[in-house]
Amino acid sequence: AQSVTQPDIHITVSEGASLELRCNYSYGATPYLFWYVQSPGQGLQLLLKYFSGDTLVQGIKGFEAEFKRSQSSFNLRKPSVHWSDAAEYFCAVGGYGGATNKLIFGTGTLLAVQP
Amino acid sequence: EAQVTQNPRYLITVTGKKLTVTCSQNMNHEYMSWYRQDPGLGLRQIYYSMNVEVTDKGDVPEGYKVSRKEKRNFPLILESPSPNQTSLYFCASKTSNYGYTFGSGTRLTVV
Repeated sequence: AQSVTQPDIHITVSEGASLELRCNYSYGATPYLFWYVQSPGQGLQLLLKYFSGDTLVQGIKGFEAEFKRSQSSFNLRKPSVHWSDAAEYFCAVGGYGGATNKLIFGTGTLLAVQP
Repeated sequence: EAQVTQNPRYLITVTGKKLTVTCSQNMNHEYMSWYRQDPGLGLRQIYYSMNVEVTDKGDVPEGYKVSRKEKRNFPLILESPSPNQTSLYFCASKTSNYGYTFGSGTRLTVV
């Protein structure tokens, strides 16, 4: 079955510390992978996406993610967290064409940033 | 500006009173979709549409209807809303380079 697992429901980091949010997926075909961020009361903003090529993907706001096919993972990282990064983060996987246009989302990781 | 517009942003209604949440995109996208977001469950697809007059069920279609009479609009219809449909709803359209543009969301409360 197609699925996305974000094992950490809630993470707290100190401002300036590094961050890694985990994402594991199960998908039968070549996956297209995404990370979205949702600030309180806001919609979804795309941070980055992976389709093919270089497995290290750079996104907006200083985020990056690494696709590891052997581990079925697409973890999100940031070297130094800012207070404004406090939000909920969603990993998603999709295919291409037909019903596989559907994005399958993880349950989200809520990030809190301590001063 | 390329965007997906949902209305209303907030809605409180009573059980059984039919309602429609509108969704419109100005990017000429063929594929559109509705999701609902619930705490601890992430976003789940309700319905999707591959093109005009082509719609199909997603993962949680019960209690919802959609229509796609023109490419730009994809309304979500709740014929008889129930409290378990209280949720945050997002409309999305798919771009040509496989990105998705999401609307700002509609927070629905059914009492």
